[in-house]
Amino acid sequence: DVKVTQSSRYLVKRTGEKVFLECVQDMDHENMFWYRQDPGLGLRLIYFSYDVKMKEKGDIPEGYSVSREKKERFSLILESASTNQTSMYLCASSFSTSGTQETQYFGPGTRLLVL
Amino acid sequence: AQSVTQLDSHVSVSEGTPVLLRCNYSSSYSPSLFWYVQHPNKGLQLLLKYTSAATLVKGINGFEAEFKKSETSFHLTKPSAHMSDAAEYFCVVSDGTWEYGNKLVFGAGTILRVKS
Repeated sequence: DVKVTQSSRYLVKRTGEKVFLECVQDMDHENMFWYRQDPGLGLRLIYFSYDVKMKEKGDIPEGYSVSREKKERFSLILESASTNQTSMYLCASSFSTSGTQETQYFGPGTRLLVL
Repeated sequence: AQSVTQLDSHVSVSEGTPVLLRCNYSSSYSPSLFWYVQHPNKGLQLLLKYTSAATLVKGINGFEAEFKKSETSFHLTKPSAHMSDAAEYFCVVSDGTWEYGNKLVFGAGTILRVKS
């Protein structure tokens, strides 16, 4: 079974703090993704990566950065947390293929509250 | 650009009655389509996916979906709802613009409530 784990289920941070969310997958997947989930908006893609040290901006990258130093680990960084970044954050991974059929496997999510 | 519209934000059914969750998509090419389910406080789980092999796709837990190109629809159905089906369901279309694989575009979600 594919396993995608996220470092925390719940986090409470103060405005202006630097926040690290970590994601690890154990299936040797090339691709990894970070989404945020908000009620009524579905999931929106923040950043994604197809290889170590490679990253691409998703639909809502502002206020976020990412790091991928090892194939199995993909970190999301909030440089200076703000209240509008209170959300559920989901990590996913998949194999890299040229088609559009690969399944993405999701972690359990991290619910972040910024006060 | 690809997009997905889930036509109902909430659906309520009685246990044992049919479930219909509606989804329309927009795509400039022949898409791959997915349904994911999220139970409370859980991650997303793949229910089923359409990848142009057969238009009627069977998934887990008795769910199925039919791809209708003429209607640009991919509705999710189940003949008989169970209490454990209560969850949020996401219709998802692939974005075929990424050379390294599958980038997904999510609908807003439909919350399914099952009454006893």
